[in-house]
Amino acid sequence: AQTVTQSQPEMSVQEAETVTLSCTYDTSESDYYLFWYKQPPSRQMILVIRQEAYKQQNATENRFSVNFQKAAKSFSLKISDSQLGDAAMYFCAGEYSGAGSYQLTFGKGTKLSVIP
Amino acid sequence: EAGVAQSPRYKIIEKRQSVAFWCNPISGHATLYWYQQILGQGPKLLIQFQNNGVVDDSQLPKDRFSAERLKGVDSTLKIQPAKLEDSAVYLCASSHGGEQFFGPGTRLTVL
Repeated sequence: AQTVTQSQPEMSVQEAETVTLSCTYDTSESDYYLFWYKQPPSRQMILVIRQEAYKQQNATENRFSVNFQKAAKSFSLKISDSQLGDAAMYFCAGEYSGAGSYQLTFGKGTKLSVIP
Repeated sequence: EAGVAQSPRYKIIEKRQSVAFWCNPISGHATLYWYQQILGQGPKLLIQFQNNGVVDDSQLPKDRFSAERLKGVDSTLKIQPAKLEDSAVYLCASSHGGEQFFGPGTRLTVL
């Protein structure tokens, strides 16, 4: 079974500061992808960043970057220069092959508040 | 490009009633997913379609939930009869062999 664990139910950050959200996962698969999704109050899940497990280089997307530690099965998200619009639920997810097709397994989420 | 459409956005029903949700995926996306997101948790996959065939429905409570995807495009998820624990957001997503794109979801409240 695949599992994704987010140990921080809530986090807060001052506007313009940096915050790191933690995620650990467990899988026996060798081929998988990891994602961070953002879910604002509108409920629309928005992809923030993705990481292919076979790539050693950490993914970056503008102010968002990940720290992927494959041996430790750790996948944290760093948000730099936090903005008020970053306030949302953030979900870590793994995509593993199952039943012949890739499926997402989500963590429980971290609620991020941004303080003006 | 239009995104994934879902309706209704909100639904309130009494327990033991029936309810149906509709999803229209992004044009050309062969794979369609239904997720259940209970308050305070991440989404959980209920069923996955590839065109109009079911790839995986192992987590779908088949005694009360059913889903279909006619003609490999739109999909409907039905609950009959509903229970209190079915209160959740139901998310639809579609993909074309890569990133999953999510709809805005339907919030179901069962009283």
